[in-house]
Amino acid sequence: DIVMTQSPDSLAVSLGERATMNCKSSQSILSSSDIKSYISWYQQKPGQPPKVLIWRASTRESGVPDRFSGSGSGTDFTLTISSLRAEDVAVYYCLQNYTFPRTFGQGTKVELK
Amino acid sequence: EVQLVESGGALVQPGGSLRLSCVGYGFDFNIYSLNWVRQAPGKGLEWLSYITGSSHIIKYADSVRGRFTISRDNAKNSLFLQMNSLRAEDTATYYCVRSVGHYDYWGRGTLATVSS
Repeated sequence: DIVMTQSPDSLAVSLGERATMNCKSSQSILSSSDIKSYISWYQQKPGQPPKVLIWRASTRESGVPDRFSGSGSGTDFTLTISSLRAEDVAVYYCLQNYTFPRTFGQGTKVELK
Repeated sequence: EVQLVESGGALVQPGGSLRLSCVGYGFDFNIYSLNWVRQAPGKGLEWLSYITGSSHIIKYADSVRGRFTISRDNAKNSLFLQMNSLRAEDTATYYCVRSVGHYDYWGRGTLATVSS
């Protein structure tokens, strides 16, 4: 199984500052057919289901603010919030949808400093 | 508007069974693959099972294979998860999730509690 390891476990950021979190896969999730990495990022606020932010490593889902961006390829990936807003306080998860079983990272909790 | 609405969660004793349901609205249900994902209280997300629109391909996580069965009834826009031999560690909110590769729509979840 592919293990997805997120870092850090938690992150305290001031309003307007940049938040950066990482996800590392235990093996490459880069497809040789389309040269895309099959990782997506989700935001979960308390009491709500997760919501997709980014897919195929760097494609922003429709309606997601452009302060959210994804990068990386192969085994190392990053989700960046360029200028943190209060409504971005949440837990963020990565997911590999390259192969079965699908596996999530353990989550990174973003809090206000 | 796309919606997924789960139901069927309840309090059940260890060793018991539950059948979860999910009804889809606002999209061509029969052409989309669907998943069950769960989240134990205060914990992270765990993928459990996947089924294609035609039900030809079905996948399970090791943690539930042999105990849980995924199925769907496209005529009723419904997805199911039959859960048998339930354990305390199966206590979680169970989400019905549409996939297009990534997971683009999630239901609000239904809580299953396994306790004596």
